[in-house]
Amino acid sequence: DVKVTQSSRYLVKRTGEKVFLECVQDMDHENMFWYRQDPGLGLRLIYFSYDVKMKEKGDIPEGYSVSREKKERFSLILESASTNQTSMYLCASSLHEGRFDTEAFFGQGTRLTVV
Amino acid sequence: GQQVMQIPQYQHVQEGEDFTTYCNSSTTLSNIQWYKQRPGGHPVFLIQLVKSGEVKKQKRLTFQFGEAKKNSSLHITATQTTDVGTYFCAGVRNTGFQKLVFGTGTRLLVSP
Repeated sequence: DVKVTQSSRYLVKRTGEKVFLECVQDMDHENMFWYRQDPGLGLRLIYFSYDVKMKEKGDIPEGYSVSREKKERFSLILESASTNQTSMYLCASSLHEGRFDTEAFFGQGTRLTVV
Repeated sequence: GQQVMQIPQYQHVQEGEDFTTYCNSSTTLSNIQWYKQRPGGHPVFLIQLVKSGEVKKQKRLTFQFGEAKKNSSLHITATQTTDVGTYFCAGVRNTGFQKLVFGTGTRLLVSP
C-alpha cells in the first residue's frame, strides 16, 4: 500500500513563527503536492514538485516555500506564520514525472492553527 | 482564483434517494478525476475519465465527462449512509504546465 505520512496531525503556532510541515512517501513517486483545504473552497494547490530539487508554484504560493532535497520527502515552509494560514494542509504524491494523469495519494492532513 | 467549481456545495438526502454533483471548469481539461473524503479523513481516489463524452460506472456510482471536456458529473443511485462524505472532482488543465486542480467539493449527508 502507498503510504503518505505527514509529520503532525495537529499543530498550534504563534504569529510570526517559522513553521515546517513535513511529508514523506514510501512508493518512489516522482510527483508531490501541497494543498490547503478550507470550507467552501475545496483543495487549493500551494506548490508541487515533479522531481528532486524541482518545484513549481500552484495557485496560492504566497507566504509559502517548499523544499525537496530527497525524492521521498517534500516540506512546506511558512516563513512567518499568519492567522490567515490557519487551515488543513494536505500532502499528496503520484507517479510519473511531469504528468498528472495518475491517481494522487494523500496523507492524513495537518490541521494548523496560528494564534 | 478557483477555476473548477462544483454544485451543489452541500446536499442532504434520505437514504434511497439519488444524488448528483456537477463539476465545471473554465478551461478545457485533459482528464478529470473524482475523489471521496469521508468525515475526518483524507481524499481517496475513485476514478479517472479521459475521453470526451466518457461514461464509467462503479456499482451505484456513474461518472460522466462532458463532450467539450469542461464539465463532469457524479451520480449516485439509491444512496446509502456509507456514501456520506465530500466528493471532489480534480482536473488536469490542458494548457500550460499540467497540474491537478481540485473543485470546491460537494458535501453529501445521508439520513437513514
